Amino acid sequence: TQLLEQSPQFLSIQEGENLTVYCNSSSVFSSLQWYRQEPGEGPVLLVTVVTGGEVKKLKRLTFQFGDARKDSSLHITAAQTGDTGLYLCAGGDTGFQKLVFGTGTRLLVSP
Amino acid sequence: DAGVTQSPTHLIKTRGQHVTLRCSPISGHKSVSWYQQVLGQGPQFIFQYYEKEERGRGNFPDRFSARQFPNYSSELNVNALLLGDSALYLCASSPRDGYGYTFGSGTRLTVV
Repeated sequence: TQLLEQSPQFLSIQEGENLTVYCNSSSVFSSLQWYRQEPGEGPVLLVTVVTGGEVKKLKRLTFQFGDARKDSSLHITAAQTGDTGLYLCAGGDTGFQKLVFGTGTRLLVSP
Repeated sequence: DAGVTQSPTHLIKTRGQHVTLRCSPISGHKSVSWYQQVLGQGPQFIFQYYEKEERGRGNFPDRFSARQFPNYSSELNVNALLLGDSALYLCASSPRDGYGYTFGSGTRLTVV
């Protein structure tokens, strides 16, 4: 069974701080996606990484896929209150047919 | 363009009843997937359909079934509801076989 563990489970920080969320597995994935989900809404795709060692930047967000394609990290620089939400990593198989979601990291950014 | 639309948005059912959830994908998207998200957890994969064929099934009992129609919309059916089926049911569509998912806002099912 493929499992993705995220850490930390909950993070409460002040606006302007930096943070890193980790997503780890003992399984190899062909791709890794990061989503943000707000209450009452479905997850919104932030990024897809497919190559081991790949780094992608989306404004203040930096995503990295581990060399062995078993882990990933999300780093947010100078967090803003609008970054508040549930962050989910999801591993995909070769055909992207089934996503295995992580346990989620709930981020609260206070003014 | 409209996103992925799901109906109903909220539903309350009694144990043992049957429920049908509906999903309309983004226009042009031929793949639809269903996920169950229990409160406090990440979504769990239930089914994936592409071109009206089942392409993947998660670890859910036979009480769960789904289908995709010629217009690519989809239904998820759950029979003999249990309290543990209470969850947010998410539908996601993609333009081709499982690539680039867009999720709907979900149907919140409460079983009492």
